[in-house]
Amino acid sequence: DAGVTQSPTHLIKTRGQQVTLRCSPKSGHDTVSWYQQALGQGPQFIFQYYEEEERQRGNFPDRFSGHQFPNYSSELNVNALLLGDSALYLCASSRPGVHNTEAFFGQGTRLTVV
Amino acid sequence: AQKITQTQPGMFVQEKEAVTLDCTYDTSDPSYGLFWYKQPSSGEMIFLIYQGSYDQQNATEGRYSLNFQKARKSANLVISASQLGDSAMYFCAMRGSNYKLTFGKGTLLTVNP
Repeated sequence: DAGVTQSPTHLIKTRGQQVTLRCSPKSGHDTVSWYQQALGQGPQFIFQYYEEEERQRGNFPDRFSGHQFPNYSSELNVNALLLGDSALYLCASSRPGVHNTEAFFGQGTRLTVV
Repeated sequence: AQKITQTQPGMFVQEKEAVTLDCTYDTSDPSYGLFWYKQPSSGEMIFLIYQGSYDQQNATEGRYSLNFQKARKSANLVISASQLGDSAMYFCAMRGSNYKLTFGKGTLLTVNP
């Protein structure tokens, strides 16, 4: 049973470019959340997708957008990259609801903006 | 709003000893879940243990146990019989009615041989 998989694992982009990160949730999970983790910090919530719609959004600008496909996989898109977007981007999958006990993360995509 | 506080930036423990990592939380949600994750230098966030706010008993998973004191709003992680491979960052997180996980700043645990 594959866990949460993310691609690519590492990425280097130039300021102003656009990037797309991908996530496949754990089997049986239909909810995908994205987090940004800057160096030395805890992860910060970007947004969550459920039933192909953005259900909840954190305090991130519109340059950050996403999508969820019918097979529950998800993409995170970041436009007009800034140096400050350099971070580890983590995808988490779960079942919906407050009381579910599962929230598993992928290995992350380390984005460097130069 | 939800808030997680981890007051120990770093902790040291001798191999085979037990260690407690502190976590306090604040929320107005009547129902919530508390999580602990381990993050090695590779970056992957590894799920360790979960405690629901209505669970009567403290959660345990192998060498990990969660000391849940609801009135004090604390959810400390206890690692028994520490191993060298336990050296990593540890994050406490909570999820309330807004579905998202809110994380603390983490505690860097170093296990000495």
